[in-house]
Amino acid sequence: KQEVTQIPAALSVPEGENLVLNCSFTDSAIYNLQWFRQDPGKGLTSLLLIQSSQREQTSGRLNASLDKSSGRSTLYIAASQPGDSATYLCAALNTGNQFYFGTGTSLTVIP
Amino acid sequence: NAGVMQNPRHLVRRRGQEARLRCSPMKGHSHVYWYRQLPEEGLKFMVYLQKENIIDESGMPKERFSAEFPKEGPSILRIQQVVRGDSAAYFCASSTLQVMNTEAFFGQGTRLTVV
Repeated sequence: KQEVTQIPAALSVPEGENLVLNCSFTDSAIYNLQWFRQDPGKGLTSLLLIQSSQREQTSGRLNASLDKSSGRSTLYIAASQPGDSATYLCAALNTGNQFYFGTGTSLTVIP
Repeated sequence: NAGVMQNPRHLVRRRGQEARLRCSPMKGHSHVYWYRQLPEEGLKFMVYLQKENIIDESGMPKERFSAEFPKEGPSILRIQQVVRGDSAAYFCASSTLQVMNTEAFFGQGTRLTVV
């Protein structure tokens, strides 16, 4: 069964800093990996989707990488802003149409 | 496109009552997924439906829980005789194709509180 782990569980950085969020998964037979953002009491907003054949995806200040062989993905956020404060979730998709979610990294960007 | 719509956003039920959670997928999406987020835990898969069919319900508790996605109307997640342990946020997602081939979009969730 897929296990997804996110480190660190919480992160606090000053505004403007570049940062990296880590996601690891135990079963490398994934179809894709998706990064989401969750604001307190709100739903999930899709940030980036990486298919298993891809190595990375970029959207604005966000860059996500995928290394299937090592079971790792990273989300890089450049020039962080207070509005980036949220919980970031990674989810690995294996067979059966089930996403396996990590418990998230809670990010606080201090103005 | 209004996105995935879930209602109600918040639902309070007394123990033993029934809870009905609704999910309207994005326009053109025929695949719906339900997830549950217990306090301090990650989201866990419950059930995957296409129009009028349950494809995978391996994450659904065997008793009291049921789901449907009729030909017309929203998908419904029904919890009968709710207990305190059912208190959680329930999220619905939808996609155009099977989620292995495309992006899944999530709704705002329904937060169920059982008192």
